[in-house]
Formats: sequence, structure tokens, C-alpha cells
Amino acid sequence: KAGVTQTPRYLIKTRGQQVTLSCSPISGHRSVSWYQQTPGQGLQFLFEYFSETQRNKGNFPGRFSGRQFSNSRSEMNVSTLELGDSALYLCASREQGADNEQFFGPGTRLTVL
Amino acid sequence: AQRVTQPEKLLSVFKGAPVELKCNYSYSGSPELFWYVQYSRQRLQLLLRHISRESIKGFTADLNKGETSFHLKKPFAQEEDSAMYYCALSGSGAGSYQLTFGKGTKLSVIP
Repeated sequence: KAGVTQTPRYLIKTRGQQVTLSCSPISGHRSVSWYQQTPGQGLQFLFEYFSETQRNKGNFPGRFSGRQFSNSRSEMNVSTLELGDSALYLCASREQGADNEQFFGPGTRLTVL
Repeated sequence: AQRVTQPEKLLSVFKGAPVELKCNYSYSGSPELFWYVQYSRQRLQLLLRHISRESIKGFTADLNKGETSFHLKKPFAQEEDSAMYYCALSGSGAGSYQLTFGKGTKLSVIP
């Protein structure tokens, strides 16, 4: 099976703009989670989607949002970008089930100027 | 609140020496603990989890609930073990799945 894919891999935006990142999970995986990785804060959970519903959300402002489509593909959106939003955004997918491993994508590197 | 602490940012050991990467956690229930590894220019991947009690690539980790620790150990380090290691915790219970990560430890194995 193909792994988790994320597009685009690199993105440069300016403050105040908005951005949409995309994630395609492994075929058959219905759970998709998003994480933000920065040198200062490390890996932080953003949200998890399952069957088009957000099941859990991390401690991020409302500017961060996401959605999941019927084919399990997911997007996350960040509005009114700030310099501090510069980070690597990782997507991970898993099959439903307590013991199922979470597989990570390569990430999207967002730079906000 | 759940928290994972990895006290060492960088750990350097000589090839063939024992390795121990420390991880302590804070969680009020029964957590699931994991070790993830990220090799240079590769994506984050699961190394091992406490419920499977496996040894992967020579690494083992035992959950110590009394000390709230989940240290990663390997008796003899290899150069290919050089990587970034993250300890992570997932709360128990059905439904949502959320990983809380430590800040990571960079392991450097000196030839």
C-alpha cells in the first residue's frame, strides 16, 4: 500500500494570508490526525478526524481548522497566518482499533514571512 | 493533563556501548506508551509500544508505572541507531486517538 501522502511539501506564505494543507491517508484508514512540529514546542496534536467527524482537538486557536472527506482524505486550514505558525505539519492515519499503529506522512513545511 | 518528558536533548554514545533514552510521563489513567524514531530525511515511524512487549532492532522498553517511566534501552549501540527518538503517550479508552509527544532525544552513535 502507498504511504500517507501530504501536499504540498513546502509552502511559503506571508502574515495574514490563509493556507490549506492536504493529506491522503493509507487506503482503508479512516482516522486522520494532524500534528504541528516546531523546534520550540516539539510535536503537538492539532486534531483527529474519523468518518468526516472531528473527534478530538488540541489546544490551538480557532484559526486552525480541518475537515475530512468521504474518501478519508483530510485538509487543514490556517487562517490569518502568524509568524509563529511556521512549522512542519504532519498528518498521520490509522485503521480503527485500539492496537492499530499510526502512520505518519512526510509533512508540509510551512514558512510564514 | 498528560505530559511526556524526555530530559536529554542529545545523547552521544560510542558504538558498542549501551544506550538508555529516558522518558517520564504524567497521566491520571492507564496510558499507552510508544517510542517513535525519525532517521535522517525519513518520516516519523513507530519503533515499539509497551503493550506489544517486543524487541525491535535490539531496543526494548519497559513500562514502570510506579516511576511513571518508559525508558528505551539497547545493550550495544550501532551507528545506524543514530536518529531522533520521541516518546509518546496515548490515553486509554475507546474513541479518539491523540498522541502526546516528548520533545525528543537526538541519539548520536560515535564510530
